Amino acid sequence: NAGVTQTPKFRILKIGQSMTLQCAQDMNHNYMYWYRQDPGMGLKLIYYSVGAGITDKGEVPNGYNVSRSTTEDFPLRLELAAPSQTSVYFCASTPVSGRAGDTQYFGPGTRLTVL
Amino acid sequence: AQSVSQHNHHVILSEAASLELGCNYSYGGTVNLFWYVQYPGQHLQLLLKYFSGDPLVKGIKGFEAEFIKSKFSFNLRKPSVQWSDTAEYFCAVNAQGTYKYIFGTGTRLKVLA
Repeated sequence: NAGVTQTPKFRILKIGQSMTLQCAQDMNHNYMYWYRQDPGMGLKLIYYSVGAGITDKGEVPNGYNVSRSTTEDFPLRLELAAPSQTSVYFCASTPVSGRAGDTQYFGPGTRLTVL
Repeated sequence: AQSVSQHNHHVILSEAASLELGCNYSYGGTVNLFWYVQYPGQHLQLLLKYFSGDPLVKGIKGFEAEFIKSKFSFNLRKPSVQWSDTAEYFCAVNAQGTYKYIFGTGTRLKVLA
């Protein structure tokens, strides 16, 4: 298994540009998550999904959109990039949320800079 | 609302020193508790977790953590650190039966050779 994969690894955007961060998992996990990691702030949840066709907002959803058309893929869309979206983005998945001891499996991250 | 506090933001130790990183959470119900580690340039990976049973849990690379329910704490320990333990450590809490994982702000550990 490849686990959780993310592309691209790095990206520089200009203010106002748009892009999609890709995330895929091959573990047949139901739950998928997008986090952003800022220095000294830990991980903040942007969006999550409990299965294909079902998504919901996390703590910091503004400026982002997601979709989940398949179990495997969970792309994150930035429509109008702003400098405040400069961050490292991590995708994660779990088999079933809330079960005893469900571990989150993380992707390698995408480092995004908006200039 | 749930929250997680990691009071040590930066820790510097010499090799062979003992390590204890604090983690406190606020939530009244049953929780799953995790410590994740992020080595330089790598993604987060699980160090250890607690969900029931023995409150002292052992993880990879000689790490252990103790869940003290009365103190809402889940502190991470290692008797003797190595240079390769230099990393950022995150405590996380998941209320059982929910989707949400709350992460602390992280502790950056630097081990001097």
